[in-house]
Amino acid sequence: ETGVTQTPRHLVMGMTNKKSLKCEQHLGHNAMYWYKQSAKKPLELMFVYSLEERVENNSVPSRFSPECPNSSHLFLHLHTLQPEDSALYLCASSQDVGGRGLGITQYFGPGTRLTVL
Amino acid sequence: DAKTTQPNSMESNEEEPVHLPCNHSTISGTDYIHWYRQLPSQGPEYVIHGLTSNVNNRMASLAIAEDRKSSTLILHRATLRDAAVYYCILRDALKNNAGNMLTFGGGTRLMVKP
Repeated sequence: ETGVTQTPRHLVMGMTNKKSLKCEQHLGHNAMYWYKQSAKKPLELMFVYSLEERVENNSVPSRFSPECPNSSHLFLHLHTLQPEDSALYLCASSQDVGGRGLGITQYFGPGTRLTVL
Repeated sequence: DAKTTQPNSMESNEEEPVHLPCNHSTISGTDYIHWYRQLPSQGPEYVIHGLTSNVNNRMASLAIAEDRKSSTLILHRATLRDAAVYYCILRDALKNNAGNMLTFGGGTRLMVKP
């Protein structure tokens, strides 16, 4: 596959479940991002990793836990979520030129549609 | 941070040109103007970006006002596949801090009529 892939594409989970979202980029980039897109709200940046180090965490609740084991893979571990966490979760990657998430162009995956019951 | 203002929605007829406006009156001298679009059920995709001069690529053209307080994304011949939400975003690419990220606003929802 090419570009940025995300699995699963759809996920339904209860508030007590633990699940993980996976993102993989095949573009040779060195920065990866998690965004949240709720209904009728703009995309919100959640986490940024550059060279496998977290460089940005936009005050995201601890029930969301990111992991970046290498430059091609990014995970978002979910536990004890709330119904208001239901949203489209988007992953993106870019070639970071400054080590701080400054890649000019971000390439997005198709997203994971998460529903929390 | 400099912000952008876009109309909530616009309509266009198929095979006609579309001009999508964006106002950014507080733009700084080192802010780049980026455009992304999000097709239904997909993640956003990069369209074009520029600093001062007008830019063209295979997807669109970007016309930047001389004072840089506004810009227009031009789709030369709209197709049904161009129906999407179009986002105009400013980024200061010279700022070396983790806060210099893409900040998406509400965008313009473009509807294309056959």
